Amino acid sequence: SAVISQKPSRDICQRGTSLTIQCQVDSQVTMMFWYRQQPGQSLTLIATANQGSEATYESGFVIDKFPISRPNLTFSTLTVSNMSPEDSSIYLCSASSRPGNTIYFGEGSWLTVV
Amino acid sequence: ILNVEQSPQSLHVQEGDSTNFTCSFPSSNFYALHWYRWETAKSPEALFVMTLNGDEKKKGRISATLNTKEGYSYLYIKGSQPEDSATYLCAPDTYGNNRLAFGKGNQVVVIP
Repeated sequence: SAVISQKPSRDICQRGTSLTIQCQVDSQVTMMFWYRQQPGQSLTLIATANQGSEATYESGFVIDKFPISRPNLTFSTLTVSNMSPEDSSIYLCSASSRPGNTIYFGEGSWLTVV
Repeated sequence: ILNVEQSPQSLHVQEGDSTNFTCSFPSSNFYALHWYRWETAKSPEALFVMTLNGDEKKKGRISATLNTKEGYSYLYIKGSQPEDSATYLCAPDTYGNNRLAFGKGNQVVVIP
């Protein structure tokens, strides 16, 4: 199994600012992902965080808005840029060692944009 | 975007009763189905990863079945307890790339 820690767990942010969320996994994993859940919506995949290269974004998500870093196999960051109230969501980091294996999630970062 | 439907969206269950709910997903390019249990302010807890048609998995009082040909899975809770109160999420993985598409979840409230 893998234990995933996210920071911050919760924050209130001013409109127009940016916030970086950190994700730390307690073991080396091949795959890391970032999801968000807006109020009343499903968990939605934002991007796959690739180690040593640019992240792969899902339709509707762009690098300028959600820059992602993954400098090594156990750590990734997601930045939510130029925030608006529509970015108020839970952001979750997930990790897995290979396809078909269990995918583990962090506890999420609850962001409220005012 | 994959269309994943979970029904019913919410249900109240009397303690001791058994219950079940459904996850429907596109059957094409199926690789695996993941079930999670998610309580507020906690990590989604992985329950099952199911890959084979006809598969049945069990974890304590919770079990799940899988039909990949018609694209559905059932989750069962036997003898519900208050600690079973949570949102249960299903997510298919198509193509085996671990990119999950989630349903909105089945919110279960067990009434003591």
